[in-house]
Amino acid sequence: GAVVSQHPSWVICKSGTSVKIECRSLDFQATTMFWYRQFPKQSLMLMATSNEGSKATYEQGVEKDKFLINHASLTLSTLTVTSAHPEDSSFYICSARGRERSNEQFFGPGTRLTVL
Amino acid sequence: GEDVEQSLFLSVREGDSSVINCTYTDSSSTYLYWYKQEPGAGLQLLTYIFSNMDMKQDQRLTVLLNKKDKHLSLRIADTQTGDSAIYFCAESIGDYKLSFGAGTTVTVRA
Repeated sequence: GAVVSQHPSWVICKSGTSVKIECRSLDFQATTMFWYRQFPKQSLMLMATSNEGSKATYEQGVEKDKFLINHASLTLSTLTVTSAHPEDSSFYICSARGRERSNEQFFGPGTRLTVL
Repeated sequence: GEDVEQSLFLSVREGDSSVINCTYTDSSSTYLYWYKQEPGAGLQLLTYIFSNMDMKQDQRLTVLLNKKDKHLSLRIADTQTGDSAIYFCAESIGDYKLSFGAGTTVTVRA
């Protein structure tokens, strides 16, 4: 149980385009989803926290107009990188937390974004 | 990750025990976690410990918590080649947000 998927697993796009990444909890209802960014050989940096049906809370320094987060249902959150630039290239990982075992976060496999 | 510190590398011989250390700063952390990340993959929750516990054992994994010194360790008994990965220590920082360390790369040699 407690499986989180992400789609796509990798994407290459041209500079200036927008890219949408999906995060789904497959076998539980995720009351909260988190989006992280990870640079090579570095730790995870929390970008934002989203609760179902409400606006995401962004961490300091993260542009909310650049990284649009939608948590439309208890099993789906999306991150859209708008007008992507090469410096947005990174590994994006989502995690989800449910009502039960709420102290545990389950992570998706990550999405590798490369902006040319 | 600046509030959580870990050593960056650990090399261990197959069959030996691995000990990964971590220090954290937030004394109000409710839970402390260990995650494992294999190349190109997401994070796998290995184990976690509630802040009022000193030790937790789960099969080959033993977590020790020294709350006074804000020190957490993960011991992997009988380390196998499949244990080669990056191990992240994380503390909960209110509302169940996590703050991660930089990760310890564990290399298991034959």
